[in-house]
Amino acid sequence: DAGVTQSPTHLIKTRGQQVTLRCSPKSGHDTVSWYQQALGQGPQFIFQYYEEEERQRGNFPDRFSGHQFPNYSSELNVNALLLGDSALYLCASSFGTLEAFFGQGTRLTVV
Amino acid sequence: GESVGLHLPTLSVQEGDNSIINCAYSNSASDYFIWYKQESGKGPQFIIDIRSNMDKRQGQRVTVLLNKTVKHLSLQIAATQPGDSAVYFCAENSVNRDDKIIFGKGTRLHILP
Repeated sequence: DAGVTQSPTHLIKTRGQQVTLRCSPKSGHDTVSWYQQALGQGPQFIFQYYEEEERQRGNFPDRFSGHQFPNYSSELNVNALLLGDSALYLCASSFGTLEAFFGQGTRLTVV
Repeated sequence: GESVGLHLPTLSVQEGDNSIINCAYSNSASDYFIWYKQESGKGPQFIIDIRSNMDKRQGQRVTVLLNKTVKHLSLQIAATQPGDSAVYFCAENSVNRDDKIIFGKGTRLHILP
């Protein structure tokens, strides 16, 4: 079992560009959540996907959007990148009442 | 409001000693708490959890204590080892696990030789 896998591991983008991050959940998991972790901070909840729909959303602007596919994998899209979007983006997957497992994250740097 | 915070940003402990990491939360309705360990370059790793109907739970070398009266929880690590060096986060979620996980800012644990 590969666990939660995220791609790419590192990414550098220019202000104003758009970025897509990808997540494959742990086998058997149907719920995917995305978190943003700024340097020296705890992860902040962005949104959660279940049954291909956004079930919950944190305090993030509409520039942040996502998608979940029938195979439960998920994408996080960020438009009009700002310098402040530089962070580690974490994906977590879960199933029902079982604990959430986190991926290694994608390190996004906006220059 | 939503707030889960830790008392100390950094904790240094002698190898072999016990470590105690503290956390305060503000939401009285929180009913499920989790401790995560995050090593450099990795995602958070589940350590132990506790429901609000419990005040203590033990795992392998770890114990979590929950005091709902003062909205405080702690993580105790017995016989701290070099591999315990990491940032530790307390977090809260609903017992249904279908809610967002709210993380605190983290405590960095340094192990002294």
